[in-house]
Amino acid sequence: NAGVTQTPKFQVLKTGQSMTLQCAQDMNHEYMSWYRQDPGMGLRLIHYSVGAGITDQGEVPNGYNVSRSTTEDFPLRLLSAAPSQTSVYFCASSATSGGAGEQFFGPGTRLTVL
Amino acid sequence: AQSVTQLGSHVSVSEGALVLLRCNYSSSVPPYLFWYVQYPNQGLQLLLKYTSAATLVKGINGFEAEFKKSETSFHLTKPSAHMSDAAEYFCAVSSQAGTALIFGKGTTLSVSS
Repeated sequence: NAGVTQTPKFQVLKTGQSMTLQCAQDMNHEYMSWYRQDPGMGLRLIHYSVGAGITDQGEVPNGYNVSRSTTEDFPLRLLSAAPSQTSVYFCASSATSGGAGEQFFGPGTRLTVL
Repeated sequence: AQSVTQLGSHVSVSEGALVLLRCNYSSSVPPYLFWYVQYPNQGLQLLLKYTSAATLVKGINGFEAEFKKSETSFHLTKPSAHMSDAAEYFCAVSSQAGTALIFGKGTTLSVSS
């Protein structure tokens, strides 16, 4: 199993540009989520999904869109990039039944907005 | 609402010394508690998890944590630090199995020889 994969690993955008961060998992997990990590802030939840076709906002959703058309994929879209969105983005997935359901994290995407 | 407080953003120890990283949580329901480790420029790796089965939880790399409900704490310990333990450590809580986590702000552990 590849686990949780994210592309790209690095990205530089100009203010106002849009882009999509890709996330995929091959563990058949129902739950997927996106976090951003900023120095001294820990990880903060952007959006999450409890299954295909169902998404909801987390703590810091502004400026981001998500969709979940399949169990495997959960892309994060930046509509109009701003310097405040410079961050490291992590995608995670988990099973919601059986065990503690710990989150499995992807390797991250480091995004810089100029 | 749930929250996590990690006391001390930086902890420095000598190689071979005890490691103690502090985590206090707030939760209105029995929590699921986790410790994750992040090495430089890498993703997050699960160290250990508490799921109400046992209050003393053993994880990977010699780490363990004890759940103390009366103190709402879940401190991470390791008897003898190794240079390879230098990393950032995150405590996290969730109210339901497999749902989104609320993270603390992290503690950077430095280990000197």
